[in-house]
Amino acid sequence: NAGVTQTPKFQVLKTGQSMTLQCAQDMNHNSMYWYRQDPGMGLRLIYYSASEGTTDKGEVPNGYNVSRLNKREFSLRLESAAPSQTSVYFCATRTGGGNYGYTFGSGTRLTVV
Amino acid sequence: GENVEQHPSTLSVQEGDSAVIKCTYSDSASNYFPWYKQELGKRPQLIIDIRSNVGEKKDQRIAVTLNKTAKHFSLHITETQPEDSAVYFCAATTSYGKLTFGQGTILTVHP
Repeated sequence: NAGVTQTPKFQVLKTGQSMTLQCAQDMNHNSMYWYRQDPGMGLRLIYYSASEGTTDKGEVPNGYNVSRLNKREFSLRLESAAPSQTSVYFCATRTGGGNYGYTFGSGTRLTVV
Repeated sequence: GENVEQHPSTLSVQEGDSAVIKCTYSDSASNYFPWYKQELGKRPQLIIDIRSNVGEKKDQRIAVTLNKTAKHFSLHITETQPEDSAVYFCAATTSYGKLTFGQGTILTVHP
């Protein structure tokens, strides 16, 4: 039972390159989220998926796209990376309905040079 | 949308002292308030949460209080230990909504 698995753990990109961050969960949770964490800014929501087949923008969606491939997987894509996207990215899941906290993945540390 | 403000941004205490972190929220519809602890280089981990129908909740040395009228909630850590040193985040959400996080508090407990 791995919980929430993110890949890769570290990545260095050149400005303009593209990449996809992967997130998979085995908790049978409906909702999945992508956050970025920057010093002094807390965790800011990029995109989320309330259920399989739906995705919505969060607070800071510009420069990103997402795909909810199935109930287990939710990917985040950077089409043309910029230095401002240097951050730590966390995927999280939450069971649908009720008041339950998130379960976070271990994070991806992305540096764009 | 929801806005969560968290204070202080940094907190330094001596081992054995108490630590208090405060948060305010803007959306009166929010009804679930979790607290997360994040150690350096690790993922955030849920340490305690409170629902809007409860005013206070305790778990050993950790307690959370909620004042719905004033729209603020607080984390209290008693008898602090060096291993309590971490970044703490408050958050707020409605039942089916998405979490909005505070900016975080860096807690340092000096031996």
